[in-house]
Amino acid sequence: GDSVTQMEGPVTLSEEAFLTINCTYTATGYPSLFWYVQYPGEGLQLLLKATKADDKGSNKGFEATYRKETTSFHLEKGSVQVSDSAVYFCALSDIIFDQFYFGTGTSLTVIP
Amino acid sequence: DTAVSQTPKYLVTQMGNDKSIKCEQNLGHDTMYWYKQDSKKFLKIMFSYNNKELIINETVPNRFSPKSPDKAHLNLHINSLELGDSAVYFCASSQEGSLGGYTFGSGTRLTVV
Repeated sequence: GDSVTQMEGPVTLSEEAFLTINCTYTATGYPSLFWYVQYPGEGLQLLLKATKADDKGSNKGFEATYRKETTSFHLEKGSVQVSDSAVYFCALSDIIFDQFYFGTGTSLTVIP
Repeated sequence: DTAVSQTPKYLVTQMGNDKSIKCEQNLGHDTMYWYKQDSKKFLKIMFSYNNKELIINETVPNRFSPKSPDKAHLNLHINSLELGDSAVYFCASSQEGSLGGYTFGSGTRLTVV
C-alpha cells in the first residue's frame, strides 16, 4: 500500500543554517505530495504541495521538488529562522482510494 | 474568517465519562475528517464523512462515534473514556477529495485522568 517515510528527528540547527528534511514515498499511480507544518500548540498548516512529477512547491522560503525517479519530496530551506521551529509532516494523497498518508513528522528546533 | 474550527481546545475529564468534540467548517468542503495525534506526533485517521456518508472508518473502538448533522459539521462523541484516549484530536476538511490537501482545525487536547 501507499506510505510516506520521512527522516527521524529531532533536528536542531543554528539560525541561518541550511535545512533538509528527507521524505520518500511509495504509491500506486501518481499521487499529490504535501508538506505540512505544525507550530507548537497549533494545528497542521499546509506549507506547500506538488501535484505532478518535477513540480516544485514553495512557500515562506521552503521548497520541495516532486522527484518521480527517486520517489522523493525533500523539504529544503536555505536559511532557517527561530520562528521555523515546528514539526514538519510529509504527506501524499492517493488518487485511487482518495486517502491521505502522513509521515511520522520531523521536529525542528532552530537555536539563535 | 473561513476556517475549520473545533471546540473545546482543551478537555480534561475522568475515566468512564462521555464527551463530545465539535467541529465546523465554513469552507464549503465536501469531506470532513477526524485524526488522532499521539504523544509522539503520529497522526492516525479515525473517520471521514462525505455528504453525510461515512466513507472511511479505521479500526477505532466503537466507543468513538462521528456524527454529522449537516455538511458543515462533524462532531466526535466518545463514550466510556479510557486513559489511552488521551491525545490531541484534529478535525480537517477537504474539497476535491484528498488531492487538494486538507485544512485542519487547531486541535482539541483531551486528557483523561
